[in-house]
Amino acid sequence: DGGITQSPKYLFRKEGQNVTLSCEQNLNHDAMYWYRQDPGQGLRLIYYSQIVNDFQKGDIAEGYSVSREKKESFPLTVTSAQKNPTAFYLCASSSFSSGRYEQYFGPGTRLTVT
Amino acid sequence: GENVEQHPSTLSVQEGDSAVIKCTYSDSASNYFPWYKQELGKRPQLIIDIRSNVGEKKDQRIAVTLNKTAKHFSLHITETQPEDSAVYFCAASMKTSYDKVIFGPGTSLSVIP
Repeated sequence: DGGITQSPKYLFRKEGQNVTLSCEQNLNHDAMYWYRQDPGQGLRLIYYSQIVNDFQKGDIAEGYSVSREKKESFPLTVTSAQKNPTAFYLCASSSFSSGRYEQYFGPGTRLTVT
Repeated sequence: GENVEQHPSTLSVQEGDSAVIKCTYSDSASNYFPWYKQELGKRPQLIIDIRSNVGEKKDQRIAVTLNKTAKHFSLHITETQPEDSAVYFCAASMKTSYDKVIFGPGTSLSVIP
């Protein structure tokens, strides 16, 4: 299970507080991604980054922010502007190897906001 | 932007039978179609993928077919086993691994022993 890690596994916050989810990879991948997983809605893309100091919005970026200061790290901040932040968050990194464009996922962080 | 639909949302099959999951995509520029399997409590993992210059690809008991004209692609699992029980996600992407990948909503497959 090494390669891409997320912490913490479970996170609890009060409404109105910002919270930052950690994602680290030691796979030397250039691209990193954040997804939100809700039951019945699959994996929805929040933000992705193709290179250090650059990132693009996904389909549901509102209420979220990211940074990419290092190749290995892509933290996601869930701000108080996110109307329904309780969800399971997955980070991924990407490589092209042996003809496969594979995304490697972290173990996820389950965020509960009350 | 790209939109990926997936059917059925749930699927139950008897062990040994085949399972088929179908997806459609909207953006004709998409040319890479991976399938991920997510077992309960685990992270999604790539199980097979296909590029738009190929119509079919097989890997042991799993196969994927692609119809570019109709913008359909399907996952076929033969001789299903209980360990095939999981949520399966199809996805569509363009060209490189650094482009965004759009996932379908998932299919929960249950294989009944």
